[in-house]
Amino acid sequence: EPEVTQTPSHQVTQMGQEVILRCVPISNHLYFYWYRQILGQKVEFLVSFYNNEISEKSEIFDDQFSVERPDGSNFTLKIRSTKLEDSAMYFCASSPRAGTTTGELFFGEGSRLTVL
Amino acid sequence: GENVEQHPSTLSVQEGDSAVIKCTYSDSASNYFPWYKQELGKGPQLIIDIRSNVGEKKDQRIAVTLNKTAKHFSLHITETQPEDSAVYFCAAPKGSARQLTFGSGTQLTVLP
Repeated sequence: EPEVTQTPSHQVTQMGQEVILRCVPISNHLYFYWYRQILGQKVEFLVSFYNNEISEKSEIFDDQFSVERPDGSNFTLKIRSTKLEDSAMYFCASSPRAGTTTGELFFGEGSRLTVL
Repeated sequence: GENVEQHPSTLSVQEGDSAVIKCTYSDSASNYFPWYKQELGKGPQLIIDIRSNVGEKKDQRIAVTLNKTAKHFSLHITETQPEDSAVYFCAAPKGSARQLTFGSGTQLTVLP
């Protein structure tokens, strides 16, 4: 069964360092997402990406964050200068549906980011 | 924006009993209501969803009901098994937008 894969599974970084989290969405999907989950809290939307551009982003997704689809398969989340409060599990997701109807999201297993 | 409230936060049931988790949402334009199961150390996995044109949907031991007037939807798990133990999240889209707002989660424990 096709799945969303994420790397690394766990990254530890120093405050102020840049981090890139990588995702390979399911191959025929059209929409890509990043969500995050701070330990013990709810899953929060960060950004959605369609047709090589950001389609929506939340208040959390400030200028420190960026996303990119550098080739036909990878989808990356970059945090330019990490803060302690960026420590969380970051989930990539993809969806097969086009148009405006919300469709099923397939999540990866997550990348745990620890900022020291 | 959308506000999703979920309760209870924890739920313990005996194996074989039923479990019910409830969510309310605020945006009357929301039209899609998924439920996700998250096992320890893993990503959320969709277990069932319902669209606003139906009131109930079943898939084996799992069912979801939707009351659009009251703006609430519920997950029902019958004949619970220990492997049903996990955190369950409800979600609703922010209006017609594609982003999901998640509830705060319910830790379900099925006691053998």
